[in-house]
Amino acid sequence: GAVVSQHPSRVICKSGTSVKIECRSLDFQATTMFWYRQFPKQSLMLMATSNEGSKATYEQGVEKDKFLINHASLTLSTLTVTSAHPEDSSFYICSARKSTDSNQPQHFGDGTRLSIL
Amino acid sequence: GQNIDQPTEMTATEGAIVQINCTYQTSGFNGLFWYQQHAGEAPTFLSYNVLDGLEEKGRFSSFLSRSKGYSYLLLKELQMKDSASYLCAVYSGGYQKVTFGTGTKLQVIP
Repeated sequence: GAVVSQHPSRVICKSGTSVKIECRSLDFQATTMFWYRQFPKQSLMLMATSNEGSKATYEQGVEKDKFLINHASLTLSTLTVTSAHPEDSSFYICSARKSTDSNQPQHFGDGTRLSIL
Repeated sequence: GQNIDQPTEMTATEGAIVQINCTYQTSGFNGLFWYQQHAGEAPTFLSYNVLDGLEEKGRFSSFLSRSKGYSYLLLKELQMKDSASYLCAVYSGGYQKVTFGTGTKLQVIP
């Protein structure tokens, strides 16, 4: 089955630090990957859609200069949280979909729990 | 805009059957997903309905009515490990993205 690897699984760092999260599709090509954020007891909120070789599409209210997305290849997308602050502490989850069929389900990485002190 | 509604919490007894409902409003509806999410973990895929009707997959079944904007997830022979949140998610071609509902937290009790 489709596997998506997300790294790191947990990050604890000081306020002002920039944090990079990687999302890899291990056994399929994904022209599109998605980045979600989930606060405790809430559902997944789409932050941005990452497109290979082009600029990411950000959802309303998400600062593109704070959440930098790079989708450099068909198997890798990265999310960088720049100058992170305590309010950025959350569970960040990426997902990827096989390129050839937009009706295929999204497969999720294991998530990254980010804690900013 | 889009609107997805599902109950916040449900409780059911081990061995019983439970139905989790989801209603939605969107433009350019393509299909509806159900995901299971255990606390602190990422969601895992359960089902995807595109056409009206019931699709069965083991103990889990999912139903869709496109005309009514309605879906349900049916869990049979409940087990304690089924305690989790169940997320209804709509794929909208109009928006070219999947939008998740707030999730239903299911607690299975002995």
